[in-house]
Amino acid sequence: GNSVTQMEGPVTLSEEAFLTINCTYTATGYPSLFWYVQYPGEGLQLLLKATKADDKGSNKGFEATYRKETTSFHLEKGSVQVSDSAVYFCALSTSGTYKYIFGTGTRLKVLA
Amino acid sequence: DVKVTQSSRYLVKRTGEKVFLECVQDMDHENMFWYRQDPGLGLRLIYFSYDVKMKEKGDIPEGYSVSREKKERFSLILESASTNQTSMYLCASIENGRGANEKLFFGSGTQLSVL
Repeated sequence: GNSVTQMEGPVTLSEEAFLTINCTYTATGYPSLFWYVQYPGEGLQLLLKATKADDKGSNKGFEATYRKETTSFHLEKGSVQVSDSAVYFCALSTSGTYKYIFGTGTRLKVLA
Repeated sequence: DVKVTQSSRYLVKRTGEKVFLECVQDMDHENMFWYRQDPGLGLRLIYFSYDVKMKEKGDIPEGYSVSREKKERFSLILESASTNQTSMYLCASIENGRGANEKLFFGSGTQLSVL
């Protein structure tokens, strides 16, 4: 079946450090891929997405590229801020269904 | 922007009680979802609904039921609460269609403790 695997956290970085959170997926067909972010005390909100191979999603300095050959969608940011501290979820959806598959989440803590 | 509102932020119930979690969205979305979020397990789908009075089981429906009598409201029911149902419950909605507008909107969650 479809699945999403993301790196375990927590990830602790100093402000202005480079961030990578790994995400790989298993899916039949051609899924859409997403990163959602959950700030403390809030629900999830969409950070970025990509709907086909080689697409790059970007938002708020974060980027992720849909790599079909490696079935990956790694999240990157060149310089993190304390305000980026949150839990990040990788997710996929496949055509014909709205049953989204979420990864287990990666907690990011950025220190000033 | 779309607003998804969950009726309670924190809820404490006793084992065996019947529990209702309410969710309301204000953008006429066809599809609504209930997830539970547990540390190390991520989000797991309990039930979803793609239209009024329609529902489908998700991955972990046991011990839960749902009701969707109106398009904007989706209720999760714990028929007889148990301690292993202590969790964060998240409601979400999405409109029909794919592509640029495909985006789940989440409520802020209800932290349920069953004692």
